[in-house]
Amino acid sequence: GAGVSQSPSNKVTEKGKDVELRCDPISGHTALYWYRQSLGQGLEFLIYFQGNSAPDKSGLPSDRFSAERTGGSVSTLTIQRTQQEDSAVYLCASPPSFEGSVDTEAFFGQGTRLTVV
Amino acid sequence: KQEVTQIPAALSVPEGENLVLNCSFTDSAIYNLQWFRQDPGKGLTSLLLIQSSQREQTSGRLNASLDKSSGRSTLYIAASQPGDSATYLCAVRWMDSSYKLIFGSGTRLLVRP
Repeated sequence: GAGVSQSPSNKVTEKGKDVELRCDPISGHTALYWYRQSLGQGLEFLIYFQGNSAPDKSGLPSDRFSAERTGGSVSTLTIQRTQQEDSAVYLCASPPSFEGSVDTEAFFGQGTRLTVV
Repeated sequence: KQEVTQIPAALSVPEGENLVLNCSFTDSAIYNLQWFRQDPGKGLTSLLLIQSSQREQTSGRLNASLDKSSGRSTLYIAASQPGDSATYLCAVRWMDSSYKLIFGSGTRLLVRP
């Protein structure tokens, strides 16, 4: 596609429920990132994918958070047993491959606004 | 710990003013630094990317400078317009984890007509 696509754009869920957030990266881009932006805060790194593997998942806040990527394309971020503090905008970015070079800009989706009530 | 700090957190100026947004970072061993714009409810738009070997980059009314030794970058906006109102984010890639962008908390800019 022309850009990074995320769905849903908005999600309201009850505390304790599981949610899945989806990211469709730019076609052909092998790197993919998930970030979280809480109200009034900067972006917090969650996880980095290179292809289907995640060399760095150090930003995942707890074991309730997991992410996978299949076919080197679509990624899903899953939050189990959601808590109110999980409320935030979850952003996905898909720059061109960083293999051999990081001289490229990052491309972000519009984000999924998650509200846990 | 590698951190990025932006000041001020918010800024309000009348239309037409020139203004400067500040970004500071710990650890000067950066790979590059990037400025983004974020409009309410929207994703991020990349504005300028400065490599560690560069001192500045310009795009239209925007000019970003980089001083690695002092751990600072500035984004200069000339002749500000109401359409410039947005949150401006600074993000750094460090050499030891060059795949990862670390963001500041942003400066929320309001340009009053």
